[in-house]
Amino acid sequence: GQQLNQSPQSMFIQEGEDVSMNCTSSSIFNTWLWYKQDPGEGPVLLIALYKAGELTSNGRLTAQFGITRKDSFLNISASIPSDVGIYFCAGQGYAGGTSYGKLTFGQGTILTVHP
Amino acid sequence: SAVISQKPSRDICQRGTSLTIQCQVDSQVTMMFWYRQQPGQSLTLIATANQGSEATYESGFVIDKFPISRPNLTFSTLTVSNMSPEDSSIYLCSVLGTGNTEAFFGQGTRLTVV
Repeated sequence: GQQLNQSPQSMFIQEGEDVSMNCTSSSIFNTWLWYKQDPGEGPVLLIALYKAGELTSNGRLTAQFGITRKDSFLNISASIPSDVGIYFCAGQGYAGGTSYGKLTFGQGTILTVHP
Repeated sequence: SAVISQKPSRDICQRGTSLTIQCQVDSQVTMMFWYRQQPGQSLTLIATANQGSEATYESGFVIDKFPISRPNLTFSTLTVSNMSPEDSSIYLCSVLGTGNTEAFFGQGTRLTVV
C-alpha cells in the first residue's frame, strides 16, 4: 500500500543531542500524527497536527505540519536514553472522504541514544 | 485517549490453523481499524470495522483470509485464517479518539506461525 517517505531510517546519537526526522508524501493529508513504538508495544501517540503550518510542542518534542500539507517534521531536543525506540509519522485523510480515519504510515526511524 | 485491550498478546500457531484476535475498548467508538505490522516493517491497514456494517478491506486483504466481526461499539475481532508463516506479524487494533481526529492503538498481538 501507499507509504510516506520517512527519513532517516535510523539514527545513532549521544545523550543530550538534538534529533530531527521528517516525512514527505505525494498526497495531501488532513492530519499528521507522530507515534513512538517501544519493543512489544503498540504505537503511542506523541503529537497530532491539524493545520498547515502548525507548530506544536509536547515537552522536548516539537513537530510541524508543512504548508503544502504533504510533509511534517519531528524534533527531539536534549535526547535521553528513554527516547530509544521507533518513531513513525502517519497521515490521516479528510473527514467525509473514503480515507477518513485511515492512517498511512512512514517506514519508521529507529533511534538509538548512547549514554 | 481510549484504553484498548487486545487478546491474546502473543501466540504461536501451527500453519493451516486460524486465530481470532479480540479488541476491547473502554468507550463506545464508531470506527475501529485493524493493522498489520510485519517483522521490521511499518504498519499497513487491513480493514475498517464499523458497527452495523460489513468491514471494508484495503487492497491486498480479503474477507476470506481476515474475517472481522464488530458486534457492538466497544468490541471487534479479527481472525487470521488458514495461517502460513508469511502471516507472522504483529496485528494491531486502533480506534479514533473523541473528536475523531487522533488514532490510538492497542498493544498488539504478536503472531508467529510455524
